Amino acid sequence: AQKITQTQPGMFVQEKEAVTLDCTYDTSDPSYGLFWYKQPSSGEMIFLIYQGSYDQQNATEGRYSLNFQKARKSANLVISASQLGDSAMYFCAQSRTGNQFYFGTGTSLTVIP
Amino acid sequence: DSGVTQTPKHLITATGQRVTLRCSPRSGDLSVYWYQQSLDQGLQFLIQYYNGEERAKGNILERFSAQQFPDLHSELNLSSLELGDSALYFCASSPGWGAEDTQYFGPGTRLTVL
Repeated sequence: AQKITQTQPGMFVQEKEAVTLDCTYDTSDPSYGLFWYKQPSSGEMIFLIYQGSYDQQNATEGRYSLNFQKARKSANLVISASQLGDSAMYFCAQSRTGNQFYFGTGTSLTVIP
Repeated sequence: DSGVTQTPKHLITATGQRVTLRCSPRSGDLSVYWYQQSLDQGLQFLIQYYNGEERAKGNILERFSAQQFPDLHSELNLSSLELGDSALYFCASSPGWGAEDTQYFGPGTRLTVL
């Protein structure tokens, strides 16, 4: 069974600093995707970034980058220059063929002014 | 705005009742997924449809059913509701069902069972 682990239930970061949110996964599938979503207190799930299992380079989207270490089965999200609006829950998810997503338990990020 | 719409936004009902949640996918997306998010269970995959056909089932109770219609909108039916069914129900859509397909989520329906 797929398992996604987010070991940091809560994180704090100073405004304008960078922060790394950890995610490890466990799969034997050769082809899979890794995704990060943000869930603010309003409740919606916002897609942030995607990394494919065959991608050679780490994905980047604006202030978000994904530190993909395939051998270690980790897909950490790096948020640079944190803003107050980044305070939210962050979920890591892994897909497999058929596109069923498996989500981690989430990390609550608080940005301190 | 993800382009996925869900109605209603909030639903309050009593135990034993039946409700229907509705979802319209993003334009062009053929896959629809339903998820349940509760405090104790986290985000759980319920069921997936692709172009009107059921593709995969997750942790969906027998009291729950879903379908995807020819216009690709989907409905999730929850019956014989229990207190424990109170949760945030998400619909998501994607173009296909490959592992690389991003799922875009709707705003969710918050169900409260009293």
